[in-house]
Amino acid sequence: DIEMTQSPSSLSASVGDRVTITCQASQDINNFVNWYQQKSGKAPKLLIYDASKLDSGVPSRFSGSGSGTDFTFTISSLQPEDFATYYCQQYDRHLALTFGGGTKVDI
Amino acid sequence: QVQLQESGPGLVKPSETLSLTCTVSGDSINNYQWSWIRQPPGKGLQWIGYIYHSGSTNYNPSLKSRVTISTDASKNQFSLKLSSVTAADTAVYYCASSEILTGALDFWGQGTLVTVSS
Repeated sequence: DIEMTQSPSSLSASVGDRVTITCQASQDINNFVNWYQQKSGKAPKLLIYDASKLDSGVPSRFSGSGSGTDFTFTISSLQPEDFATYYCQQYDRHLALTFGGGTKVDI
Repeated sequence: QVQLQESGPGLVKPSETLSLTCTVSGDSINNYQWSWIRQPPGKGLQWIGYIYHSGSTNYNPSLKSRVTISTDASKNQFSLKLSSVTAADTAVYYCASSEILTGALDFWGQGTLVTVSS
């Protein structure tokens, strides 16, 4: 099974800060990585797919990059509504899905 | 826009089978790929499995021996059965639509808490 190691597990930031989260896959997964935002008590929301493509309606302050085994998710200027937990997720050649452990972003 | 709604018992006894249904509206279940994901209280997300519109399935290897996902096209629903449950299966269970090419889970249900307890 492919594992996704996400870091950090939590971070504290302020409004306006640039925030970066990383995910490392245990094997080459090309660019099949997606990123989600989950607010407390709510279902996750897709933000980024195919490593770098913004889902419809997602603000441009969110971005993703990477390929192979190393992936990065960035919020260019943190807004009050961005305080949440973020997850990476991979989709491998065996057609299985795996999530990273999550990153909680708080003040 | 696709909307999904989970339904089923909120309490299941140990060793019994957990059964949930996801009702899809806004599109046909004959499109897309349909997934189940769960989240134990205070923990991260775990993919359970998915079913293609063709009926073929793929399951998380760690749960494969206990999971069955099926569809009912006449009701535009898909279902999850998880057998021989223990307290470790207590979680919020989500259904979601997933893109076949990217595996992106683009539409989610609101989730339903299932507690395993006697």
